[in-house]
Amino acid sequence: GQNIDQPTEMTATEGAIVQINCTYQTSGFNGLFWYQQHAGEAPTFLSYNVLDGLEEKGRFSSFLSRSKGYSYLLLKELQMKDSASYLCAVMDSNYQLIWGAGTKLIIKP
Amino acid sequence: NAGVTQTPKFRVLKTGQSMTLLCAQDMNHEYMYWYRQDPGMGLRLIHYSVGEGTTAKGEVPDGYNVSRLKKQNFLLGLESAAPSQTSVYFCASSTLYDPQGNEKLFFGSGTQLSVL
Repeated sequence: GQNIDQPTEMTATEGAIVQINCTYQTSGFNGLFWYQQHAGEAPTFLSYNVLDGLEEKGRFSSFLSRSKGYSYLLLKELQMKDSASYLCAVMDSNYQLIWGAGTKLIIKP
Repeated sequence: NAGVTQTPKFRVLKTGQSMTLLCAQDMNHEYMYWYRQDPGMGLRLIHYSVGEGTTAKGEVPDGYNVSRLKKQNFLLGLESAAPSQTSVYFCASSTLYDPQGNEKLFFGSGTQLSVL
């Protein structure tokens, strides 16, 4: 079966750096997405990786290793507004999105 | 720029009642989707549409029906609601082609449905 694994919850301190991991086992691979979801709100797109390596967007970076079935989202200079759930999703060979359950990130002052 | 608009935001039903959720997008997107989100689980695809007049089943289609009579609208219907359908429902849309090479989803604000 297809599976996306990510930690259920993480805690970090304001101003620090946090890395959220995502491992996947899917039927084929056509890209990996990260979405941010604040409590009670809709998910919003953060990043997309289809080739191995690091994609940087301001304070957020996303890394992909296709051979290891692994990705991480790196958040730098954490702010209180970064408290949210972070969803990892993989597009399989049929171009269907498989979603992880999300990682709830708690930021403490 | 409204994006994806979903109505209603909250709804309470009794078992056996029916209802329709409306999703509208103003981005001229070809693809539209209905997802449900339950605690501890990833988003699960209910039904989707790749264009006006077309619909297809997703991962968890049982108990739901959809229609896409107009390109901008995608309706989700529950004919006979069951407590297992208590969930948060999200509509989403995406374009056929994205200049950045990814077909990212744009989500509506969600509908919290409780079936008693």
